[in-house]
Amino acid sequence: DIQMTQSPSSVSASVGDRVTITCRASQGISSWLAWYQQKPGKAPKLLIYAASSLQSGVPSRFSGSGSGTDFTLTISSLQPEDFATYYCQQANSFPFRPTFGQGTKLEIK
Amino acid sequence: EVQLVESGGGLVQPGGSLRLSCAASGFTFSSYAMSWVRQAPGKGLEWVSAISGSGGSTYYADSVKGRFTISRDNSKNTLYLQMNSLRAEDTAVYYCAKELAAAAVPDWYFDLWGRGTLVTVSS
Repeated sequence: DIQMTQSPSSVSASVGDRVTITCRASQGISSWLAWYQQKPGKAPKLLIYAASSLQSGVPSRFSGSGSGTDFTLTISSLQPEDFATYYCQQANSFPFRPTFGQGTKLEIK
Repeated sequence: EVQLVESGGGLVQPGGSLRLSCAASGFTFSSYAMSWVRQAPGKGLEWVSAISGSGGSTYYADSVKGRFTISRDNSKNTLYLQMNSLRAEDTAVYYCAKELAAAAVPDWYFDLWGRGTLVTVSS
C-alpha cells in the first residue's frame, strides 16, 4: 500500500499566521490527493481534492499544491475556527485502497 | 437535507458479529460509490471498505478482508457493513462516506460523512 507521511505531527500558531502542512507519499500519486479537517468529536470535512481544487464552500484561505510525492496544505491567515487536526489522503486509483496520513494537529499558540 | 446517518454500533465480544447501517438522504444514492472509514479512539483515519454505486464492485482493506462484507440496498438508500470475527483492534468509530463524483468507479474523495457509530470489541 501507499504510505502517507505528514509533517509536522503538531504545530502551534496564532490567529492571523500563515501555516503550511506537508504530506509525502511513498510513491508517485500524480495529483490524486485530498486534505481533510477534523474537529474533536466531529466527522472529517473535505477541504481540497485533486491536490489543489478547493471544495465548494471552503474558504479561500485554504490552498493545496504539489504533485508526484510531495504536497502542501497552506492556510494563509489562521482563523479561530481553523484549529483542528488535518489529514492528507491519497486517492490513487490503484491499488484501490486509499490511505491517510497520520494527521497534523494545529493548536493555538 | 443531504445527510448520512449511521447506526448499529455497540459493545460486542471478541469473535462476535455486528452489522452497521448507513441511511442516505438528499442525493441520488445509487449514483455514488460509498465507503466505510474508521477511527480508533485517539487515532487517525483508516479506510475500511468501498462499494460501487451499482453494488457490483467491492473493495476492502487488508485488515478486514475476509471478515467484513460491504453491501448496499439502493431501493432503501442504505449502505451496510457486516462485521464478523471481530477483534479488539476493530474498536473504532465507523463513518460512512460518500464519493465526491457520481461515477461508475470510486474516485476516493469523500465529500459527505455521517456522524459515525462507535463499535467496541471487548470481553
